[in-house]
Amino acid sequence: EAQVTQNPRYLITVTGKKLTVTCSQNMNHEYMSWYRQDPGLGLRQIYYSMNVEVTDKGDVPEGYKVSRKEKRNFPLILESPSPNQTSLYFCASGEFGAGGGYTFGSGTRLTVV
Amino acid sequence: AQSVTQLDSQVPVFEEAPVELRCNYSSSVSVYLFWYVQYPNQGLQLLLKYLSGSTLVKGINGFEAEFNKSQTSFHLRKPSVHISDTAEYFCAVSEVDTGRRALTFGSGTRLQVQP
Repeated sequence: EAQVTQNPRYLITVTGKKLTVTCSQNMNHEYMSWYRQDPGLGLRQIYYSMNVEVTDKGDVPEGYKVSRKEKRNFPLILESPSPNQTSLYFCASGEFGAGGGYTFGSGTRLTVV
Repeated sequence: AQSVTQLDSQVPVFEEAPVELRCNYSSSVSVYLFWYVQYPNQGLQLLLKYLSGSTLVKGINGFEAEFNKSQTSFHLRKPSVHISDTAEYFCAVSEVDTGRRALTFGSGTRLQVQP
């Protein structure tokens, strides 16, 4: 089954404790992206990657890092999480030239206390 | 830069009634347009998309949307809703021919279907 898998689904952590949210896709997509969803703001792009070793900032990259060492994986790293990063996070993937229509993961709900 | 405005944050409607969810966008270049649905505790699922051609686009679950370039709108419609359509709906745009391929989302419209 074609899918984007995120882990964990839920995470509660403390301020300053480094964490990684994993994302993996099995569709051989070139393009992957991370979004955060906050009430009343919709989804905002954090980082994206157009292929292995090619990443760039989205609209809200502060406090986040990513890497793309393999085509299927695109982890999101919070080196020193803060309470304002409490949010619902989504990973998405798609063909580069497909005009959108991305496949989204089920989401990771992160709480930073 | 592109932006998306969803004019209604919540739309209550009775079962079997028609519904329209409104979306307006702003962009200086050509765009692709999308509607996504998010059921509770789930990720986003693509309902339909407009890339080019016919301005009336049909999607899954009986939904359709019409692209109106002069009014920069992409409203979503369904002639008869079901309880199972209760969800949050997001309109999104992506600029054609840019490297980012980013989807810019509206703030969402919560559709509440009542019996």
